Amino acid sequence: GQQLNQSPQSMFIQEGEDVSMNCTSSSIFNTWLWYKQEPGEGPVLLIALYKAGELTSNGRLTAQFGITRKDSFLNISASIPSDVGIYFCAGRNASRGSQGNLIFGKGTKLSVKP
Amino acid sequence: GAVVSQHPSWVICKSGTSVKIECRSLDFQATTMFWYRQFPKQSLMLMATSNEGSKATYEQGVEKDKFLINHASLTLSTLTVTSAHPEDSSFYICSARRRGLAGGVYNEQFFGPGTRLTVL
Repeated sequence: GQQLNQSPQSMFIQEGEDVSMNCTSSSIFNTWLWYKQEPGEGPVLLIALYKAGELTSNGRLTAQFGITRKDSFLNISASIPSDVGIYFCAGRNASRGSQGNLIFGKGTKLSVKP
Repeated sequence: GAVVSQHPSWVICKSGTSVKIECRSLDFQATTMFWYRQFPKQSLMLMATSNEGSKATYEQGVEKDKFLINHASLTLSTLTVTSAHPEDSSFYICSARRRGLAGGVYNEQFFGPGTRLTVL
């Protein structure tokens, strides 16, 4: 099925560094979501975006809904060891109307060195 | 809150047996429940979508007779893997969308903790 292009695939950073990851699509989305998944667990919703240009923060996390409606980024500031996990972007395609199924990126695996 | 539970969290079974996985929305009524499958180091693959009281909608390539979904109530959906084989071994995750017209995060998909199925 259709997937989003999420990058980078993985990141190895030092504690305290800032992190940035993004997702792009060839289709327009009316919703962008960012989830975090830890090993052996289900994804947890971090941030939801519903309007082009919208910038939303959740603690040290900030995400934006791209103006073109075809991309979104997630930034994590001052990373800490517990930020480790896989971050997934997900989009809901406006053309699918009320069906509203999410399309997921392949994930960005974040590793943080203390 | 928006808590989704799954049971069991892990199961090991013999090839040829059937396994049932339960998904419950604990503190809200779910309009729709979704079942995903995730292989190691891969993204989530949607298997099917179910609405309470109606038949599930399966994604292309997912065998409906193999993966039986029953959405018995607004808080419970079950996935039964029938005649399981080793290739069915995977991490199965459900999610639920809250009933209501508020929109926004209120109606987003919240995921359960997943069920690890190992078929010997």
